[in-house]
Amino acid sequence: AQSVSQHNHHVILSEAASLELGCNYSYGGTVNLFWYVQYPGQHLQLLLKYFSGDPLVKGIKGFEAEFIKSKFSFNLRKPSVQWSDTAEYFCAVTYFGNEKLTFGTGTRLTIIP
Amino acid sequence: DSGVTQTPKHLITATGQRVTLRCSPRSGDLSVYWYQQSLDQGLQFLIQYYNGEERAKGNILERFSAQQFPDLHSELNLSSLELGDSALYFCASSSLAGPSETQYFGPGTRLLVL
Repeated sequence: AQSVSQHNHHVILSEAASLELGCNYSYGGTVNLFWYVQYPGQHLQLLLKYFSGDPLVKGIKGFEAEFIKSKFSFNLRKPSVQWSDTAEYFCAVTYFGNEKLTFGTGTRLTIIP
Repeated sequence: DSGVTQTPKHLITATGQRVTLRCSPRSGDLSVYWYQQSLDQGLQFLIQYYNGEERAKGNILERFSAQQFPDLHSELNLSSLELGDSALYFCASSSLAGPSETQYFGPGTRLLVL
């Protein structure tokens, strides 16, 4: 079955620290990759997405992610986090011919001022 | 604000009851998706409709059903409710159907079954 793994369940960082959240997906051919963010009490918002082309994708709020096909990974990065980045982050995948989003379990990010 | 609206925001009901959750997609979007978010199962895809027709089914229980109406809004019906159905139910919409389409999520309906 197709699956997405997010190994970090809870990450705590100080403001200005660099961030990297891991995401690995199971092999299934052509994939489309997404990172969504859920701020406390709010709905899921799209941070960035990868469909094809340049494997380094830039999203909103200074986030970026790199698609490494050989490692089945799509890690999310931000060079300097802010307190307002406190949220839950979800990696998700759609596979060719299938529109349903398969989500990882999410990573809760807490930024300490 | 994603443009996807869901009502009600909160719903408290008893076991054995039936509820209906409503979703209005973004203007012009033809595809609607339903997801369930619970502590033990995470975010799970339930069902997708495209322009009024069921397009894909996920881990949706037989007690649950959905439909998409001619005006493209969708309803998710949950019947014979059990305690384990307590969860956050999200609706999402996209312009068309396809794995590369971005899905925009609504604020969710929080269901509590007592």
